[in-house]
This record gives sequence, C-alpha cells and structure tokens, in this order.
Amino acid sequence: GAVVSQHPSWVICKSGTSVKIECRSLDFQATTMFWYRQFPKQSLMLMATSNEGSKATYEQGVEKDKFLINHASLTLSTLTVTSAHPEDSSFYICSAPHSGGADTQYFGPGTRLTVL
Amino acid sequence: DAKTTQPTSMDCAEGRAANLPCNHSTISGNEYVYWYRQIHSQGPQYIIHGLKNNETNEMASLIITEDRKSSTLILPHATLRDTAVYYCIVRVGGGNAGNMLTFGGGTRLMVKP
Repeated sequence: GAVVSQHPSWVICKSGTSVKIECRSLDFQATTMFWYRQFPKQSLMLMATSNEGSKATYEQGVEKDKFLINHASLTLSTLTVTSAHPEDSSFYICSAPHSGGADTQYFGPGTRLTVL
Repeated sequence: DAKTTQPTSMDCAEGRAANLPCNHSTISGNEYVYWYRQIHSQGPQYIIHGLKNNETNEMASLIITEDRKSSTLILPHATLRDTAVYYCIVRVGGGNAGNMLTFGGGTRLMVKP
C-alpha cells in the first residue's frame, strides 16, 4: 500500500510555543491531505482538509488561526500548532488519499504532542 | 456516509479466528465497506474493503451479507499483535479516495494468550 510519513513522531514543548508537524506522501502525490486529532481513549476526529495550491478547509469548531495548515507541494502538508497550550496535547494524525489499489486513504504513524 | 454500529469490545484467544461484526443498515448502493485498525499509539492501517462480494487478502476476510446491511471482518488466526481497535467505515468508493473518512468508536479487540 501507499506510504505516508510524519515528523516528528513525538514532541514536547512549553506552553506558548509553536510546533510544526510534517506529513509526507512517500511514493505518490496527494493534492489533498487530511489532519486528524485523537484524544486518549477516543476516536479520530477530522480537523481539516489540506489542499495543495489553495486554502485548507476546517471542520466546525477548529480554529484556523491556531492550527495553520500549509500544503507546500504534492507530497508535503504541514500543520503548525501556534501558541500551544496543555489542552492541545493530543495525538495528531495525517492521511492522504491514493486512488490506486484500495482507492482509499493511507495514514501516517501519528505525532504525539505534549504541551507542558 | 452511512452510519455503522460495532460492539465496543471483544476478546479472542490467540490462534483462534476473530470475527468482528458491523451493522450498516442504511448503506447506499454506491457505498463500500472499509475496515481499518489502529494499534495503540499508531496511525490507522487499511485492512480490506468490499462492495457486495466477499473479499479476502493476506490480512483478513470480509463477509458482506446479501442485503449489505451488515458485514463481518474475520482474522483467521489471531495473534497478540492483532490487538487493536478495529473500525468499520462505510463510504462511497470507485475513485473517491479523496472523500473524508468518518471514524466511529470501533471495536477494541483484545487477543489473549
């Protein structure tokens, strides 16, 4: 299947700082990527859809000025958590759709963010 | 996309078959059944999908009822490494890989020695 990577796999930061998470499709191009957030013992919740060459679309309740998304190329999307606070601590996961084979989305390994 | 219902949790003995049910009674004619699993602290992993015929791959088998209102994911010989949360998702397929996926609660499968 298609491979999606994320970097970093985990990050610890102080409250008030910004953190950037990268999502890359390694062996295919993706004009769209998705960002999810998962709190402990909960399911994945879609945060936003990243679109190459245009603005991201955010789900209701997700602050676009706090979670900045940049789809810089056909293989890279970045999520920046600005002015992070402890309540932003979560597991962030990206996915990219791949039209071949299973015709579905493939997920990155996730990034564990801990804000102190 | 149609809503799915899965049991919250299941146990399975190592080496035995794990049968995970999913109800999707409001599924539409152009919607596929997809299964993903999420091992602890990892991203979801695609397992298998189907429209109306039963499907099998190296990971699992998918049995879809004739009326398509329910399905069962079968792990033929469960191992400890199959312990994970399994998500059944119904979505439009056929070139619509870019459509968002909606995750429900899934089934937490615990494989025990």
